[in-house]
Amino acid sequence: DAGVTQSPTHLIKTRGQQVTLRCSPKSGHDTVSWYQQALGQGPQFIFQYYEEEERQRGNFPDRFSGHQFPNYSSELNVNALLLGDSALYLCASSRRGLRETQYFGPGTRLLVL
Amino acid sequence: QKEVEQNSGPLSVPEGAIASLNCTYSDRGSQSFFWYRQYSGKSPELIMFIYSNGDKEDGRFTAQLNKASQYVSLLIRDSQPSDSATYLCAVPRGTGGFKTIFGAGTRLFVKA
Repeated sequence: DAGVTQSPTHLIKTRGQQVTLRCSPKSGHDTVSWYQQALGQGPQFIFQYYEEEERQRGNFPDRFSGHQFPNYSSELNVNALLLGDSALYLCASSRRGLRETQYFGPGTRLLVL
Repeated sequence: QKEVEQNSGPLSVPEGAIASLNCTYSDRGSQSFFWYRQYSGKSPELIMFIYSNGDKEDGRFTAQLNKASQYVSLLIRDSQPSDSATYLCAVPRGTGGFKTIFGAGTRLFVKA
């Protein structure tokens, strides 16, 4: 049973650039949520996708956008990168109706220089 | 007041002891509560979830929920050095989709 996968594992960008991160959910899951985790903090909710639509959004600017594909995989896009965007980006998948039980992928570590 | 609060620690316990981790939440309407373990440099791993008041046991782990007092706790019995990690309390919110609010985590250190 394949778990949640994310790519790439690490990424280095410079300020002002754009980045796309990818996530494939656990088999049988249809909902994908994205989180940003800065060092020493808990994960911060960015947004959630279900049925290819954004269903919930946290307090993140419009520079953060996403997409969900018909096969339930998802992308997170961040435009105009800032130094403060350096963090671990986590994708979590869940199955609708199963009490919001989420499983996390390994994460993508983004460094903005 | 933060939506989900945890003591950041570090909490240090000797091997074989019981580690007690606490979490309080602000939304009285919350229905589900999760505990994740996160090793340094790794992603969070789900270890327990609880929906009803009272205790839920799974191996060496026991989750306790008190909705009236708005707290949820995690007990780790017979603590092992391999339990040394950050423990995150998570509480989903919303309808028609949900967002999960995480506490900042409690760092646990189990001394051999």
